Amino acid sequence: DVKVTQSSRYLVKRTGEKVFLECVQDMDHENMFWYRQDPGLGLRLIYFSYDVKMKEKGDIPEGYSVSREKKERFSLILESASTNQTSMYLCASSPWTTGAYNEQFFGPGTRLTVL
Amino acid sequence: KNEVEQSPQNLTAQEGEFITINCSYSVGISALHWLQQHPGGGIVSLFMLSSGKKKHGRLIATINIQEKHSSLHITASHPRDSAVYICAVRKGAQKLVFGQGTRLTINP
Repeated sequence: DVKVTQSSRYLVKRTGEKVFLECVQDMDHENMFWYRQDPGLGLRLIYFSYDVKMKEKGDIPEGYSVSREKKERFSLILESASTNQTSMYLCASSPWTTGAYNEQFFGPGTRLTVL
Repeated sequence: KNEVEQSPQNLTAQEGEFITINCSYSVGISALHWLQQHPGGGIVSLFMLSSGKKKHGRLIATINIQEKHSSLHITASHPRDSAVYICAVRKGAQKLVFGQGTRLTINP
């Protein structure tokens, strides 16, 4: 069964702390994604990676960085957490595709609160 | 204006009612996805379609490529259908862009 796991379901951090969110997939997918989800705004792409050590900025990369040292693992880093980064963070993965469909498989999400 | 717009944003109905959620998009696409998110966060794919209609149980998804519009219908709705339903379209070869979601509540 397809599986994407995230390191924490709930996380509470203080302003200015460095925060690591980890995502692991067991499907040998090339693509991995980090999104944040906020009420009324839907899912917005923070960063995308299509291969080990390769990354691409999404729509809202400011304040975030990512790391992909192994194919199965994609980390999101908040260098200095701020209150406006309080959100639900979702990781997803998908196979590299040239076909019409590009289904993404999602992790359970991490609800991050920055105080 | 968002590239993908869903309506309504919130929908409350009684058990047994026929439900329709709409999705309009402004970009050319090769495929559209409907996703479901239950309380607690997990998102699952319901449908991927590029033309016509698909049916799975009580769920039906339709798409009109010329009008850039898709609908998700639920027949004989049940409280367990309560969830957020999300429409997404392909952006570039590997990415999706998402609507803001429709929160559906079915009361018994």
